[in-house]
Amino acid sequence: SQQGEEDPQALSIQEGENATMNCSYKTSINNLQWYRQNSGRGLVHLILIRSNEREKHSGRLRVTLDTSKKSSSLLITASRAADTASYFCATVGETSGSRLTFGEGTQLTVNP
Amino acid sequence: EPEVTQTPSHQVTQMGQEVILRCVPISNHLYFYWYRQILGQKVEFLVSFYNNEISEKSEIFDDQFSVERPDGSNFTLKIRSTKLEDSAMYFCASSEEVTLEAFFGQGTRLTVV
Repeated sequence: SQQGEEDPQALSIQEGENATMNCSYKTSINNLQWYRQNSGRGLVHLILIRSNEREKHSGRLRVTLDTSKKSSSLLITASRAADTASYFCATVGETSGSRLTFGEGTQLTVNP
Repeated sequence: EPEVTQTPSHQVTQMGQEVILRCVPISNHLYFYWYRQILGQKVEFLVSFYNNEISEKSEIFDDQFSVERPDGSNFTLKIRSTKLEDSAMYFCASSEEVTLEAFFGQGTRLTVV
């Protein structure tokens, strides 16, 4: 297994529903970040949660972090078709310096 | 809103040729990065750069790779002798501080033929 694994790999929901994506990691972290990537495009930073935080909100996004389980979840409420994208978690390790270690990503499809 | 810009958006090159990928990070950022994403795979860290020197590099970043900040605005990644397996999307990123959010460019799709 590798650092930053997301599940599910793919998620298809209807507009208006909530989408939950999970991420697990292996080593101790400084922070965990979620990014979004539209097909063939760059990565857009969504939210950062530090290792001493348990929950964070930003608009329709809610992120939780459980360092005891080495896991995080991203909840998108009231999803829209425009939320269709790949979502990645990325960790900054306590000892890994500056690098972001990305997971495999969850492909979210929101159907109108 | 400030953004990271990368050029070119797509580059096709012959195997064995040298390529230079260019990036203009956000102006007040101090940390610069290169990542790559092979088609269908996860985003992988290549190198980070701070204070005009490499601060960290991955095992992928071997002797055929180099980075440079030739002036106050550009940040480049050079691949000296490209291989087929170098075909990927290359992303430049920058951040204000080392552990804060990174802002990514739109990427350069490198195709080695």
